[in-house]
Amino acid sequence: QVQLVESGGGVVQPGRSLRLSCEASGFTFRNHAMHWVRQAPGQGLEWVAVISYDGSHKYYTDSVKGRFTISRDNSKNTLYLQVNSLKTEDTAVYYCAREEWGQYYMDVWGKGTTVTVSS
Amino acid sequence: QSALTQPASVSGSPGQSIAISCTGTSSDVGGYNYVSWYQQHPGKAPKLMIYDVNNRPSGVSNRFSGSKSGNTASLTISGLQAEDEADYYCSSYTSSSTRVFGGGTKLTVL
Repeated sequence: QVQLVESGGGVVQPGRSLRLSCEASGFTFRNHAMHWVRQAPGQGLEWVAVISYDGSHKYYTDSVKGRFTISRDNSKNTLYLQVNSLKTEDTAVYYCAREEWGQYYMDVWGKGTTVTVSS
Repeated sequence: QSALTQPASVSGSPGQSIAISCTGTSSDVGGYNYVSWYQQHPGKAPKLMIYDVNNRPSGVSNRFSGSKSGNTASLTISGLQAEDEADYYCSSYTSSSTRVFGGGTKLTVL
């Protein structure tokens, strides 16, 4: 079945880095743009970044530009989010989501991985 | 990249209809027919309910419908059921090729 599974979250000190992963299965990964969306504790959804199907186009929300990098390896059916210079306000559940081909909505979501930034 | 504006909460009794608004600008909601709505139950991942303003994915009840006028989109849920109690988020494509979510609306079924 169509599935996205995130991993790589954990507890990290401010200023440190993490790499989040999202492994896709059950569909042709290379045909779809992919997103990262995060949700701070008790807060709403915040869109973080998107990468085109071939990795040639990447867009970010202003608050993470210069610190986060989205990437993908289509040979491994895996999406990544490199998160550097972490701040306490980056504490959140990070979801990856698939974008339907040629569309602008997220039709498949993972269950999320939790990042906690704390000293 | 300001969040879209949604009411913090709405409520209704079983069988009633409710509407949730989502207000943006001409650079997002008003400029494109790419508004989508997501349902999220506590501790769960979001679920797509409406896409492209007024289209339902396969498997989503026809009690859910969407519309848009100018810079404001709306999600209507008719025949409220207890299982509809959840948080609802709108989202839009933007002129910067990014996406933006609303702040979320908590639906309570009385």
